[in-house]
Parts: sequence; structure tokens; C-alpha cells
Amino acid sequence: EDKVVQSPLSLVVHEGDTVTLNCSYEVTNFRSLLWYKQEKKAPTFLFMLTSSGIEKKSGRLSSILDKKELFSILNITATQTGDSAVYLCAVEMYSGGGADGLTFGKGTHLIIQP
Amino acid sequence: DAGVIQSPRHEVTEMGQEVTLRCKPISGHNSLFWYRQTMMRGLELLIYFNNNVPIDDSGMPEDRFSAKMPNASFSTLKIQPSEPRDSAVYFCASSPGQGGVNIQYFGAGTRLSVL
Repeated sequence: EDKVVQSPLSLVVHEGDTVTLNCSYEVTNFRSLLWYKQEKKAPTFLFMLTSSGIEKKSGRLSSILDKKELFSILNITATQTGDSAVYLCAVEMYSGGGADGLTFGKGTHLIIQP
Repeated sequence: DAGVIQSPRHEVTEMGQEVTLRCKPISGHNSLFWYRQTMMRGLELLIYFNNNVPIDDSGMPEDRFSAKMPNASFSTLKIQPSEPRDSAVYFCASSPGQGGVNIQYFGAGTRLSVL
């Protein structure tokens, strides 16, 4: 069975700290791994990763994929209270055609304390 | 761009009633997805369409659930009859679905409560 596992499930840190969120996967026909941020409403897209070792960066957020060890990490530096959210990891698999649905992990609930 | 538009935002109904959720994807997107989110099970794929054609409905929990996409700009998810365990947030998402780039953009969701 295809699965995506995120850790930790919850994390509480102080403003200014750096956090690392983990995502491991066991799927057939891997195509891409995506990170989303969810704040009470719809998940919003952060990164899509398809190649190993290439870091994606957006401001204080960065992510990297290791296709050999089957995991990805999401780093957030100099955290702010606005970073408090659930961070979701999802994997897309090849199905032999166009787009495919995503398999999501349970998410990491990140709380940033002032 | 207005993004993915879902309606209604909230739905409260009684067990046994029919529920219809609606979704308008981003214009020009070729793929549409329906997901359900609960505390216990997280976000789960129910069904998805490519070019209005249903591709995989293996995530649809029971025959009480059905989905249609009559044209490129509209899709519905119907539950008939509804049960309390169907209570969840239902998300619709769309993606360009071409060129191997499948970034899915989510609507705001419909929060369904079945009493």
C-alpha cells in the first residue's frame, strides 16, 4: 500500500527558531513530491520536488528531496507566528497518462509561540 | 484569476438527505480532483477527472457517492443518502494536467455536517 508519513505530527517552537519537518514515502511509480501549507482553510502550494538534491527555496522556506532514501524535508528559518499552520506533504505517482491524484501524509501541526 | 470556487461553503443536513457539492475549476485547467478531509483520516482522494473524463474513482467510499463533470468548468459531488459519518470538509482542486507539472490548487472547501 502506498503511504506517506510525516514527522513530527505536532511541534511547538518559539518565534525565531528554525524548524525541520520530515516526510518519508513508500509509493510505486513516484513522480513528484509536493508541500502545502494549510491554515484553517484550503491547502496552499509551497513547493514541488521531482529531482534529488536540488533545493527549492522561497524566502525563509526551503525544501529538498532524496529519492534514494525516499524522503523530503521542509525547513523554515527565523520562524514567525504567521508560520503557524499544518504543513502537508503529498506524493504524486505516474499512472501512465496525464495528471494523477495526490496521496497525502497526516501533516505536521506547527505552532509558533511569540 | 478567481481560483477554484466551491459551493456551498457550509452545509448542514439530516441523515438520509441528498447533498450536492459544486466546484468550478480554474479556467484552462484540464484536471479536477475531489478530496475529503477528516481528523482521523486526513486528506483523501475520492475521484479525479482528466479532460472531463473520470479516471480513478477507487477512493469513493460507497455507492452513495457519485461525481460528474459535464463540462470543463463545472463538477458535482453527490451523496445520496447522506450519513453522519460523511461529515467532513470536502475539497475540490484543479491542475493544468499537462507537461508533467501537476500543481494542484485547492478551493476553500465545503464543510458538511450530517446530523
